[in-house]
Amino acid sequence: EVQLVESGGGLVQPGGSLRLSCAASGFTFSSYWMHWVRQAPGKGLVWVSRISADGSVTGYADSVKGRFTISRDNARNTVYLQMNSLGAEDTAVYYCTRGRWEQLPFDCWGQGTPVTVSS
Amino acid sequence: DVVMTQSPLSLPVTLGQPASISCRSSQSLVNSGGDTYLSWIHQRPGQSPRRLFYKISYRDSGVPDRFSGSGSGTDFTLKISRVEAEDVGVYYCTQATHWPITFGQGTRLEIK
Repeated sequence: EVQLVESGGGLVQPGGSLRLSCAASGFTFSSYWMHWVRQAPGKGLVWVSRISADGSVTGYADSVKGRFTISRDNARNTVYLQMNSLGAEDTAVYYCTRGRWEQLPFDCWGQGTPVTVSS
Repeated sequence: DVVMTQSPLSLPVTLGQPASISCRSSQSLVNSGGDTYLSWIHQRPGQSPRRLFYKISYRDSGVPDRFSGSGSGTDFTLKISRVEAEDVGVYYCTQATHWPITFGQGTRLEIK
C-alpha cells in the first residue's frame, strides 16, 4: 500500500524554525517527484515546494523562497521541508504529495502535519 | 502566475441530481507539446485531498464513473452525473502546465 506519513509539525514562535519529514512506503520513492502543499485554517490548497526524483531540481513558491528548503534522502525514502523565519502566515496543515512526472503531481497525499506559528 | 477561477464557490445539490463545477484559467493550459496539465482534486471534510482527474479527463484509480472531466484551453468542467452523499466536500482544479503550480479557490459541494 502506498503511504506518505508526515511528521515534525507543532507550535513554534514567530521567527523560529521547524523541519517537516515525510516518510514514504509502498512505492519506488526514488522514481517520484515530491511536493509540499499547505492549507491554512479554513482556506484552500497552496503549493509550496517540489523536488525532482533524484533531488537535483527544486522549486519554491515566492512566499517561502529563501526561507524554506526542500530535500530528500532516497536511501531513507524520506522528503524534508526545512522551514526558517516562520511567521503567522505560515500557519497551516502541510501535506506531502507525490507525482510520477514533474507535471503530473498529486496522485497520492499524506495525512498532513499541522504547523502553528504563534507566541 | 496562472490564476484559476472556479464557479460556483458553493454548490448545494439534491442527492441523485447532477452537479457541475467550472474552472477557468487566466491563460491557456496547453503546453508546447500539446498537453494540458489540468487536474481535479477532492477533499472531504476532515480528510486529506485526493486527485480525481489528471490531464483534464484521465480518471484516477478508484474514481467512480459518475464523475467526468472535460474542457480545453482555458475552460474546464467537472461533472457528477448523480450526486451521492460521499461526494460532499471541496473540489479544486489545479494546473501544472505553467510555473508555479496553482490551485483554484475551491468549490464546496453540500447536500441540500
